[in-house]
Formats: sequence, structure tokens, C-alpha cells
Amino acid sequence: QVLLQESGPGVVTPSETLSLTCSVSGGSIRGHYWSWIRQPPGKGLEWIAYISHSGSTDYSPSLKSRVSISVDTSKNQFSLTLHSVTAADTAVYYCARTDVDTPFVDYFDIWGQGTLVAVSS
Amino acid sequence: SSELTQDPAVSVALGQTIRITCQGDSLRTYFANWYQQKPGQAPLLVVFGKNNRPSGIPDRFSGSRSGNIASLTITGAQAEDEADYYCNSRDSRTDHLLFGTGTKVTVL
Repeated sequence: QVLLQESGPGVVTPSETLSLTCSVSGGSIRGHYWSWIRQPPGKGLEWIAYISHSGSTDYSPSLKSRVSISVDTSKNQFSLTLHSVTAADTAVYYCARTDVDTPFVDYFDIWGQGTLVAVSS
Repeated sequence: SSELTQDPAVSVALGQTIRITCQGDSLRTYFANWYQQKPGQAPLLVVFGKNNRPSGIPDRFSGSRSGNIASLTITGAQAEDEADYYCNSRDSRTDHLLFGTGTKVTVL
């Protein structure tokens, strides 16, 4: 079955850049959309961005100025970059396969286990 | 509005039926999808679209929609259904994806 695994640093210094990678195994990254979602400790879920295998993207308006998402089909991976981080960016970051092809139905059907990123000096 | 509002917490007696709601203007256009999240775990899709369940999700989970309110119903709640539940949809104004505020379900 398709599995997703997030990787990246557990701690990022304030004002620096957070970079995460999601590795997809058990299936191809082609033909699907892929999202990043985060959850601050004790709080709810926040969608950050998605990308298609061909590079089409969409970003949350609240993060768009600081976020970039990219895909590497040769490695079956996609990545997130978040610039100028603050303590408010401390969260568990999840990657998820995203279905946006069905009209009026947009959902996340496969999730990674999540990785905690703390913004701290 | 561009929000999806859920009740913060609800409780249900073991074996009884519970309905969790998600309210937002976008739900007049887009279907809500529902996720179960247990402590320390990633969310799990339990219902999507009009009323579809991924493989392996028990049929006690069902979804519905009326106007701008979507509902997840658990018929015959089990102890293992105690979790946080989130809805998601697409904002009909901005066309971006969004999540509901979440509901903590306690099974008594």
C-alpha cells in the first residue's frame, strides 16, 4: 500500500527557513496531488499547500507569502519550504495524498505519520 | 464566511448514536469529508463525498448534508471511536482547501 514519510529537522531557529520532504513509497507520485498540513500542539489542522505531479500548485492565503512546495518525480518525493519562521510555526507537519479531481469533493486519503518541528533558538 | 465551524466537544453513551456537525457557507456547494484523529496519531479519513467510506472503515460511520450543515453520524458508538473529528471542504469564495475547527468526542 502507499506509504508517506516526512523527514526534516526537528528544530529550526527563528527567522530561518524550515524545509521538509515527504517520501512516497508503494506507489507512484504521478497522477495525484499532494499536500502539506500542519497542527500546532493542542490545536486543529491547517492546510498549507498542495502540488500535482506535474507541478501545479495552490497555497493557503495565510501562508502564501512564506511558503513554497515542489515535487521531484524521479525521487517520488515532494517538499515544503517555509521562510522566516516564528514560534507560531511550531507544529506537527503532515504530508498527505490529496484528491481534488472529483467535482465538489476534495479530501486527504493517505497521511504520513507527521513530524514535529519546533521553532526555537 | 470561509470557516467551517464544529462544536468543540460532544459526548455519547456507549452503543448510542452521535451526530457531529460542521457548518459553513461552502458546504452549500462542496461536500464535507471527515477525519478521525486519536492522540499521537495522524488523522484518518472516515467519510468522504456524499457518503463514502474508505476500505476498512466500519459502516457505523455515515455522512450527510442539509443546506450549509454537514453531519457525521456514528451509529452505535464504540469505545474506540473516542477521538477528535475534523471536517474539511473547499472555500467557495477563495477556492482554497480548509479544515473545520474540530470536535472532541467522548464515549461514556
